[in-house]
Amino acid sequence: GENVEQHPSTLSVQEGDSAVIKCTYSDSASNYFPWYKQELGKGPQLIIDIRSNVGEKKDQRIAVTLNKTAKHFSLHITETQPEDSAVYFCAASRSGGSYIPTFGRGTSLIVHP
Amino acid sequence: DTAVSQTPKYLVTQMGNDKSIKCEQNLGHDTMYWYKQDSKKFLKIMFSYNNKELIINETVPNRFSPKSPDKAHLNLHINSLELGDSAVYFCASSQVAVNTEAFFGQGTRLTVV
Repeated sequence: GENVEQHPSTLSVQEGDSAVIKCTYSDSASNYFPWYKQELGKGPQLIIDIRSNVGEKKDQRIAVTLNKTAKHFSLHITETQPEDSAVYFCAASRSGGSYIPTFGRGTSLIVHP
Repeated sequence: DTAVSQTPKYLVTQMGNDKSIKCEQNLGHDTMYWYKQDSKKFLKIMFSYNNKELIINETVPNRFSPKSPDKAHLNLHINSLELGDSAVYFCASSQVAVNTEAFFGQGTRLTVV
């Protein structure tokens, strides 16, 4: 089955700095890579995703890059703000009715004002 | 309208009791899931269910059972609750046929005393 590794487990930055979270996956058939943000007391919510036919995607201050050859993908947050503080999860999945998306173990991002 | 709703939000119960958590999605998704999130924020898949197939994580005790009266609902029944069952349980849904992101409910914090 798929195995997703996520690093770091905790990331502490100053407001305005950039934050990078990295994930690796094992199943070369995985073709969809979403990132979720979980705020305190809430369920994870999609913030950005990328499919295997794209190498990079950007949405305002967040961007995701994908290296299919190396089987890794990363989340980049620029100009971090205190409201970016949350737990971030990467995930990997592939098409198919019996395939369950696999999540990384999460990164707790703390942005200090 | 809430896309994925689960009830109750909080559940406190004694060891040995049987309890249920309800989940409903109004997104027309073909697949629903139950995840358990422990104190370290790890999201562990418990079940995946669509109208064709139930996939059970083999590490989940058989005290846990999903019940799906229809495509929009996937309830979680837990028998003979134990202290170690205390966690936050998330229901989620996705459209696996087109491999899209998962939508999560707000979570149910279960405390077994």
